[in-house]
Order: sequence, then C-alpha cells, then structure tokens
Amino acid sequence: GNSVTQMEGPVTLSEEAFLTINCTYTATGYPSLFWYVQYPGEGLQLLLKATKADDKGSNKGFEATYRKETTSFHLEKGSVQVSDSAVYFCALSDYTQGGSEKLVFGKGMKLTVNP
Amino acid sequence: NAGVTQTPKFQVLKTGQSMTLQCAQDMNHEYMSWYRQDPGMGLRLIHYSVGAGITDQGEVPNGYNVSRSTTEDFPLRLLSAAPSQTSVYFCASSYSGQSTDTQYFGPGTRLTVL
Repeated sequence: GNSVTQMEGPVTLSEEAFLTINCTYTATGYPSLFWYVQYPGEGLQLLLKATKADDKGSNKGFEATYRKETTSFHLEKGSVQVSDSAVYFCALSDYTQGGSEKLVFGKGMKLTVNP
Repeated sequence: NAGVTQTPKFQVLKTGQSMTLQCAQDMNHEYMSWYRQDPGMGLRLIHYSVGAGITDQGEVPNGYNVSRSTTEDFPLRLLSAAPSQTSVYFCASSYSGQSTDTQYFGPGTRLTVL
C-alpha cells in the first residue's frame, strides 16, 4: 500500500524562523496529499491539501507543493509563531481492502516555537 | 454545530474489562472512522463505516468491534481490554469518504489499560 515518510523531530525553533518539514511518499497511481496539524490536547485538523501534481496547498502562511518527480510534499512557512507549536502529520490517500478510500499518516513531527 | 464529539476524554481499565468509546457527529456525514494514535507510529485506521448499517475493517481491527445503527453515531467497543490497547483513540467523519473530502476529527479519548 501507499506510505509516507516524514521528519520526526522534535524540532524547536525561535519565533520568526523559517520552517521546513520534509515529507516523501511511495504510492501507486496519483494519491491526494495532506498536511494535518494537532494542537496540544486537540484532535487533528486539516491544514492544507493537494490533489494532483504541481498543485500548491496553502493555509495560515503554510505552503506545500505536490512534486511528482521527487515524490515529495514538503511543508514550509516563512516565519513561525509561538501559536504554530503543534504536531504536524503528512498524509496521503490510499484504498482499504474493501475498496474505500482511507488516509495513511506519517509518524508526526512535534514543533515547539519559543518566543 | 458541535462537529465530532467523543466520550469519555480519559478512561482507565483493567485487563479483561470491556467498554465502549462513543463518537457522534452532527454534520450528516456518511463516512466515519476510528483511529488509534501511538507514539512514533502516527495514526492507524481501526474500523470505518461508509453509511448506516455498513462497517468494514481497517489496518488494526483485532480486539475492536463497531456498529453503525444511525448516521450520527459510531461507537467503538473493546470486548476484553489488553495493555496493548493503551492508546489515544480518535474518531473522524467526512461527507463521503473520498480523499478529496475534509476529514473532521474529534478531540480524542485517552485509554490506559492496566
């Protein structure tokens, strides 16, 4: 089945630093790609997504581009804030044995931003 | 609009006990699913449902049962808890289950099995 590999961290940055979280994938076909964010004590929230090659997803200053040639979907933000402290998950779409679509998640990366 | 709600937030069980984790959504979503989150392993799909009366197994279904008698509710049952089931459990829902749909997650249930 499809899989993702992402930076695991933890990573600590100072406020206003540049952030890159690497994510690469292995897949048959052309899956949709996602970044989810989990703030402390909460469930996961969709941060951004891209459904085809060369698509760029963006939200809250974060960006990621679907790169088919490098099978990557790296997350970037130019200037992080303390409020960005969270766990970030890369995910892609796959199919269950029953033929339904499902999400496959990476292991997650904990980011702490200090003032 | 409460979104996806889960109860309880925390639970401690002894080995062999049974319990039901509750999940409800008020968005009229057809697709609902259960994941477990373990350190260093991301989220893994336990069971899912594409509509009332229809359920199927995910990656790690052993030790868990589900049913979907209504569109709104999707409870997860542990029949005989084991320490290996210590985890954080998340319920999620989406409109149809297609990858282009946004999945909405509940706040999670932290379960400890002694």
